[in-house]
Amino acid sequence: GQNIDQPTEMTATEGAIVQINCTYQTSGFNGLFWYQQHAGEAPTFLSYNVLDGLEEKGRFSSFLSRSKGYSYLLLKELQMKDSASYLCAVRDEDYQLIWGAGTKLIIKP
Amino acid sequence: GAGVSQSPRYKVAKRGQDVALRCDPISGHVSLFWYQQALGQGPEFLTYFQNEAQLDKSGLPSDRFFAERPEGSVSTLKIQRTQQEDSAVYLCASSLASSSEVAYEQYFGPGTRLTVT
Repeated sequence: GQNIDQPTEMTATEGAIVQINCTYQTSGFNGLFWYQQHAGEAPTFLSYNVLDGLEEKGRFSSFLSRSKGYSYLLLKELQMKDSASYLCAVRDEDYQLIWGAGTKLIIKP
Repeated sequence: GAGVSQSPRYKVAKRGQDVALRCDPISGHVSLFWYQQALGQGPEFLTYFQNEAQLDKSGLPSDRFFAERPEGSVSTLKIQRTQQEDSAVYLCASSLASSSEVAYEQYFGPGTRLTVT
């Protein structure tokens, strides 16, 4: 079966750095996405990785290792507004997005 | 510009009632997706349209669920004879590209929260 694993919840301090991991087992691979979802709101796109390596976009970076079935989202200089759920999603061989359950990130002052 | 809109935002239905959920995608977006999201979970794929063609409906949980996009823009998700287990947030997303194109992102609407009593 297809599986995306992420930690359920993480806590970090304002101004710090946090890394949210995602491991996946899917039938085929055509890219990995990270989305941010604030409570009661729609998911919004953060990043896309299809090749191995690090993609940096401001305070957010995303890393992919296809051989390990592994990705992480790195958030720097954390702000209170970063408190949200972070969803990892993999596009499989049928180009369908398979979603993880999300990691709830709690930022403390 | 306008994003993806969905209506109603909230719907309470009695068990056995039929409901219709509407999605207005971003103008010009080729792809449209419906997802079901339970509390504390990621979205679960329901169905996918490319223009007016429903290319994938493998995620629809039963034949009580039906979706259409007759003119390739607005889409409606219909649930017949609602059951309590249908209670969830129903998200619609649209994308400029088709799902097989290299880098496409999906733009999500705010969702419809359906509660079946």
